[in-house]
Amino acid sequence: DGGITQSPKYLFRKEGQNVTLSCEQNLNHDAMYWYRQDPGQGLRLIYYSQIVNDFQKGDIAEGYSVSREKKESFPLTVTSAQKNPTAFYLCASSMYEGGPFNEQFFGPGTRLTVL
Amino acid sequence: AQSVTQLDSQVPVFEEAPVELRCNYSSSVSVYLFWYVQYPNQGLQLLLKYLSGSTLVKGINGFEAEFNKSQTSFHLRKPSVHISDTAEYFCAVSPTPLGGGADGLTFGKGTHLIIQP
Repeated sequence: DGGITQSPKYLFRKEGQNVTLSCEQNLNHDAMYWYRQDPGQGLRLIYYSQIVNDFQKGDIAEGYSVSREKKESFPLTVTSAQKNPTAFYLCASSMYEGGPFNEQFFGPGTRLTVL
Repeated sequence: AQSVTQLDSQVPVFEEAPVELRCNYSSSVSVYLFWYVQYPNQGLQLLLKYLSGSTLVKGINGFEAEFNKSQTSFHLRKPSVHISDTAEYFCAVSPTPLGGGADGLTFGKGTHLIIQP
C-alpha cells in the first residue's frame, strides 16, 4: 500500500536531548512537509522540501532541523534549542510537477512529550 | 501572506441534522482552498478542495463546500450528519503557484464537530 509512515507513534524525551522523528513515503512525491499541531492552534509549518537536497524554513523553524538526502525520506530533528517541543508532529507529502497544486497527504503523526 | 479564520471552535449538532462549518480567509493573491478532517490521534484526510471552476465543490462522506470570492469564504456543509462525523475539521489555503509551487498550507485553528445522538 502506498502511503506515509511516521515513527515512532509516541516519543518521550528528557529536557536537553535532541530527538529525531522519522517520515518515509512511497508515493513517489517530490515535496515533503513537517507541521506541528498544538491543541486549539491548528497546524503550523516547520520545514518543507520541494526536491532532494533542498529545503526551506516554514513559519516556526527555530529549534528544528531537517535533511532530505533521499526522495522518500524527510527526518525532523527537534533540538534542545526548541523551548516547548511537546506537541503532535505531522509529516505530509505532495506531487510537485510545476503545475497546479496537488493535495497534501498526511502521515499518522508522532506525539512527542518532553519530560 | 495568507490567514484562515474558522469562526467556531466547537459545533454541537444532533444526529441527522444539517451542519455548516464556517471558514474565512485573507490573502493578497489568489488561493487554493481545502478542507481536511482529523479523527483522534490520526493524521489529516482531505475532504475536498477548490482549485478553479465551479464554486460548489463536492467531497467525500457527503460533504460539500462553496467558494465565495467576494466574501472570502469557503464554508463546509453536510445535509445530514452521522455519529461517525465526530472529528476535528480544518480549513486550509495555499497561494496559487506561479509556474508551479509546493509551499506549505496555512491552516485555521480547527472546528470540533460534536454529533449528539
